[in-house]
Amino acid sequence: EVQLLESGGGLVQPGGSLRLSCAASGFTFSSYAMSWVRQAPGKGLEWVSAISGSGASTYYADSVKGRFTISRDNSKNTLYLQMNSLRAEDTAIYYCAKDVYSGAAAVFDYWGQGTLVTVSS
Amino acid sequence: QSALTQPRSVSGSPGQSVTISCTGTSSDVGGYNYVSWYQQHPGKAPKLMIYDVSKRPSGVPDRFSGSKSGNTASLTISGLQAEDEADYYCCSYAGSYVVFGGGTKLTVL
Repeated sequence: EVQLLESGGGLVQPGGSLRLSCAASGFTFSSYAMSWVRQAPGKGLEWVSAISGSGASTYYADSVKGRFTISRDNSKNTLYLQMNSLRAEDTAIYYCAKDVYSGAAAVFDYWGQGTLVTVSS
Repeated sequence: QSALTQPRSVSGSPGQSVTISCTGTSSDVGGYNYVSWYQQHPGKAPKLMIYDVSKRPSGVPDRFSGSKSGNTASLTISGLQAEDEADYYCCSYAGSYVVFGGGTKLTVL
């Protein structure tokens, strides 16, 4: 059974940093691209970042480019999102999502339960 | 990286059919066949309903179907059931990024 378990969310002040993790199990982690998708309270889904199965290719939404870094450790079956220079508008539930393909094709067949990030003073 | 355009809400009675549109550009919806649709119930994670424009994952009822014409993709739900009431999001690959639609709230009357 595929499982994705996010952790690392919490309350952080504007300008601060946070690192999210997503522990994956039930599939060959290195064979699939992974993404982070967020959802602000009461709002729609927003794609944040993606990484290929090998980790060689990364992609970012303009809203987070230069502030967030996606990475993965295939030996630990874990996906990460390093978030720096956080802003109030980054407040959201952050989901990790597994792609159907090894390259990032934006087809997410499994999602975690999400972790809440709140940016506030 | 502009969001895809979806109607804010649609509604239908049990047994009827509804169609949700998703309009993008030639850089996203019109340029690739990686259009997917997600269903989200309140407080839950999204669920993949349609991928690659018209393919259904295992376990998704065949009442759900997808199509695309030019820069507009569509999700059709036939034989509406009460449990179909949810938010629906379209999503498209766009080369170096991914874009979602703003979401459509489906109400089953």
